[in-house]
Amino acid sequence: GQSLEQPSEVTAVEGAIVQINCTYQTSGFYGLSWYQQHDGGAPTFLSYNALDGLEETGRFSSFLSRSDSYGYLLLQELQMKDSASYFCASNSGGYQKVTFGTGTKLQVIP
Amino acid sequence: GAVVSQHPSWVICKSGTSVKIECRSLDFQATTMFWYRQFPKQSLMLMATSNEGSKATYEQGVEKDKFLINHASLTLSTLTVTSAHPEDSSFYICSAVFQGTSYEQYFGPGTRLTVT
Repeated sequence: GQSLEQPSEVTAVEGAIVQINCTYQTSGFYGLSWYQQHDGGAPTFLSYNALDGLEETGRFSSFLSRSDSYGYLLLQELQMKDSASYFCASNSGGYQKVTFGTGTKLQVIP
Repeated sequence: GAVVSQHPSWVICKSGTSVKIECRSLDFQATTMFWYRQFPKQSLMLMATSNEGSKATYEQGVEKDKFLINHASLTLSTLTVTSAHPEDSSFYICSAVFQGTSYEQYFGPGTRLTVT
C-alpha cells in the first residue's frame, strides 16, 4: 500500500521560515510532489522532486531523501496568504498516479 | 494555460437520484484525468484514473457501478454518482495531466455534492 504521513497542523509567524515534513512508504516510487490547497479551493502544484536534494522555486523549496523515504517543503518569508493546507504526494504506478499525504494545515499568524 | 473546469460547482440532490459532474481541460488535451474525493479536513482520496477512449481504472474499494466514469474525448471526463446516498456527500475534484508531464496535475475547482 501507499502511505504518506505529515504533521496535521503547523503554526508559524509571518516573515518566518517553516518546514513541513513528509515520510512515506510507497511501492514503485518515482518522486514526491507538493501541493497547496486553500479552504474550499483546488490543490495547486508547488514543486516536484525526482532526485535526492533540494529544489528551489522562489520562496518555496522542497527536499527529498530516497534513502530515508523522507521529504520536506520549506516556506520562507511567510506571508498571511500562505495559510493553507499542504500535501505531499507520491508519484507511482506508471508515473502518473498520485497518492496524497495526510496533509498539513499551516496557520500563519502576525 | 493549463486550466481545468468542473461543472457544477455545487449540487444538492435527493437520495436515490443520480448526479453527473463534468471535468474539462480548457486549453490542453489531457490524455489522463483523475477523480478524487475529499471529505472535510481530510486528504484527497483517488477514486479512479480515466484515460481517453478506454475504461477507467478504479481504486480498491471504489464501486465502479456506483461511480460511472466516461472519458469520451481528450478534453472531457464525466463522473456520474448513481443512486446517491447521504454518505456520498463530499467534495469531488478532478485533475488532468499533459502527456509527458505526469507529475504535475492540474486540478479543477471541485464540485461539492450534498445528498439529502
